[in-house]
Amino acid sequence: QQQVKQSPQSLIVQKGGISIINCAYENTAFDYFPWYQQFPGKGPALLIAIRPDVSEKKEGRFTISFNKSAKQFSLHIMDSQPGDSATYFCAASRGNNDMRFGAGTRLTVKP
Amino acid sequence: DGGITQSPKYLFRKEGQNVTLSCEQNLNHDAMYWYRQDPGQGLRLIYYSQIVNDFQKGDIAEGYSVSREKKESFPLTVTSAQKNPTAFYLCASSMKGVWGNQPQHFGDGTRLSIL
Repeated sequence: QQQVKQSPQSLIVQKGGISIINCAYENTAFDYFPWYQQFPGKGPALLIAIRPDVSEKKEGRFTISFNKSAKQFSLHIMDSQPGDSATYFCAASRGNNDMRFGAGTRLTVKP
Repeated sequence: DGGITQSPKYLFRKEGQNVTLSCEQNLNHDAMYWYRQDPGQGLRLIYYSQIVNDFQKGDIAEGYSVSREKKESFPLTVTSAQKNPTAFYLCASSMKGVWGNQPQHFGDGTRLSIL
């Protein structure tokens, strides 16, 4: 049962452009929404996270936008760089033990 | 430096063989997790443990077993009952906070293949 749907599956962006990855969730009990970045052969690393009491969170070039009524959230990467090329996973959780991951988006930033 | 160490990085299993993947953390985290990652899929939870000597099944526990004898260690055994074990296995840990949800920190994974 896929509780977090992520799109697109892959994304190609030119250097300096904006990368946008979208996620939708089903369970309204989810109350923590992290994004992870994963490079080949490595484990995922936490990038940024948001709780549903705010609609937007920004850290450097990375921004999460959150729409509670639509049960959607998205990651925006401003001024995308080749070093941002990685696989990005959204997730949603309720408590420590119920984290559900999206299927991932492979981002390629072309120089 | 604090972190999560998974070993080995690559592992090969013969038919009918059990293999054990190691996961050690020095972050003093209470909770530990094992995930399986397949191409084009998100991470799927195999087992998790909130405290020493206690663990719970995740979504895909069949064919796997774990133990949690020490806070720092959470080994995963892939048994011969797991018919499709080829995957990238990730161990994670987290500290339980006031609000319950704390970020999970991941190791660099073990890639298991069938010989």
